[in-house]
Amino acid sequence: GQQLNQSPQSMFIQEGEDVSMNCTSSSIFNTWLWYKQDPGEGPVLLIALYKAGELTSNGRLTAQFGITRKDSFLNISASIPSDVGIYFCAGQNLYNNNDMRFGAGTRLTVKP
Amino acid sequence: EAQVTQNPRYLITVTGKKLTVTCSQNMNHEYMSWYRQDPGLGLRQIYYSMNVEVTDKGDVPEGYKVSRKEKRNFPLILESPSPNQTSLYFCASHATGSWLNTGELFFGEGSRLTVL
Repeated sequence: GQQLNQSPQSMFIQEGEDVSMNCTSSSIFNTWLWYKQDPGEGPVLLIALYKAGELTSNGRLTAQFGITRKDSFLNISASIPSDVGIYFCAGQNLYNNNDMRFGAGTRLTVKP
Repeated sequence: EAQVTQNPRYLITVTGKKLTVTCSQNMNHEYMSWYRQDPGLGLRQIYYSMNVEVTDKGDVPEGYKVSRKEKRNFPLILESPSPNQTSLYFCASHATGSWLNTGELFFGEGSRLTVL
């Protein structure tokens, strides 16, 4: 199946720093999504992107749907301790039975 | 409260001893799915169900079975567990109508399974 390459695998940052992570694919997707998994919990949707080039914000989070439909990035500004967790990108293909693929995740650690 | 509930949350078992992980959702969602999460591999789909009595294989179905006799329940069955099925398992659901619009999956809290 389609593979998503998510990077970086992990990040250790200081509180207040900005964070950037991205996802690339060899195939196009119709929808890109970013989920966050808090420790001991299931993933929760942060942002969904539906059009190539779309830039969407949710508080301190900003995500973009790449113009080629093969990539997406997520930025977190002014990180805080509760940003700790694993961030997953996901691509959805509406023309393949809504197949959704997940990246391997970016584990974020924020030092106070 | 809208939620997906999995049980058990933690389980240690031995090779070959059949087990079932239950999943229940109270949102009247048509679509339900099981994933396993392993370090460095992200979330891989095991099985999914588009509606009652309709199930299909995901990417890693070997060693697993599912059933969908009722809309709210989607149990995952390991007939003869092996150590390579040690993993963190997530059940997820969404309403088919919203699937096309948001792509949002609602996940359970996870079930950590260890097979010795």
